[in-house]
Order: sequence, then structure tokens, then C-alpha cells
Amino acid sequence: ETGVTQTPRHLVMGMTNKKSLKCEQHLGHNAMYWYKQSAKKPLELMFVYSLEERVENNSVPSRFSPECPNSSHLFLHLHTLQPEDSALYLCASSPLIQNVDEQFFGPGTRLTVL
Amino acid sequence: DQQVKQNSPSLSVQEGRISILNCDYTNSMFDYFLWYKKYPAEGPTFLISISSIKDKNEDGRFTVFLNKSAKHLSLHIVPSQPGDSAVYFCAAGEGSNYKLTFGKGTLLTVNP
Repeated sequence: ETGVTQTPRHLVMGMTNKKSLKCEQHLGHNAMYWYKQSAKKPLELMFVYSLEERVENNSVPSRFSPECPNSSHLFLHLHTLQPEDSALYLCASSPLIQNVDEQFFGPGTRLTVL
Repeated sequence: DQQVKQNSPSLSVQEGRISILNCDYTNSMFDYFLWYKKYPAEGPTFLISISSIKDKNEDGRFTVFLNKSAKHLSLHIVPSQPGDSAVYFCAAGEGSNYKLTFGKGTLLTVNP
């Protein structure tokens, strides 16, 4: 595997479910990001990790819980979501958080909350 | 309020002609700008960037123009090819801040 991979690619869940999104980067990068893209809205930054430390929580509700166990893996744990949380969730990585023009994106997870 | 706006949701161009994608911004603190391209079922990929100290940056068929006084930038693709058909996102950043503000994107269709 190369680049940034995300699993699952599609997820349908009920409002009472607990699920997790997984992101893995094979680029040796030190910064990882979660973005959300809702229909008809711009990409929104959710969380940023640098060297496995969270450096940004962009006013994201607590029903989204990120985890970065090492520099290659990033998770987004989901619980008691709302239908308006249905969106495309994109993971990205970059060598360092300053390298904004070197963010590599994964293909995303399309999440539907029923 | 949106700080980065791409007012055209879609654009259709004939192969070989020029594609011009536009982006406007409101935050005068933005000092670098990026364009990303996104194919269906793939993540966005970085295309080209420009710093506010420049008014033009060129990379092959892609040129980005920046008009700071108008707070406007544009991406020119010449000549356009069918493989350029994708959604193009404009993004802006400020200083050493890693946060990017994105536009909603413009779907470009290049017809053979």
C-alpha cells in the first residue's frame, strides 16, 4: 500500500451505534489531519495531530473522538451521531504541519447516519 | 460567512480551449493560496500554489494568477484535456498557520 489509505470507504450507521474510521499513511509523515466535507459545503478541518500530539480541535462535538496511536495511524471514533453528521470524512498527512502544500489526502469515508 | 468563495459550481469547456476557474477571498490576512484537484472516489491532490508576494505562478499547463487588490485568484488550464475533468478546490492559508480555508469547489468538465 502506498500513500494514504482509509477504511472503510463507506459506512452506514444508526444514531446509537459506535463505529471507528481508520486512516493509515505510508509516507513517513509526522502530521495527520481529519477533514469533513458535507454536501454543498467546503472542506472543514476537524483535528490535527503533530508527532502523535493533538494540536487542533476545531470546535468539533465530543461525539467525534480522534486517536493517534502512532505517526502512521489515525482513528476517528464515532458515537451517538446525528443525521447531519453524514458527510465525506477525509484523512490527510504531511511531512510536518507547516507543509500545507504537501498534504496528501486519502480517498475518504462516505458516512451516512440514519 | 465564507472566507473563500468559488461562485461557479460548474464549468464546461471544449478540449484544447482554456479553462478559467475563479476564486474570491475576503480575509486580507491570507498570504498563500493553493489549488487542489479531486477525481470521484479519490482524495484531493495538490495542484499548484501561489504566495502573496507573487502575482503569477506557472507549472506546465497550469497557471495561477493572484490579484491582491481584488482579493481574487484564478487558475488557467491551457490547453484543457478530458483528463482535467474533476472538481477543483481553491484554498487559502495565513502565515505559518497550517489551517487551510477551502472553497466549495468547481466541477470542470472538458468535452472531447
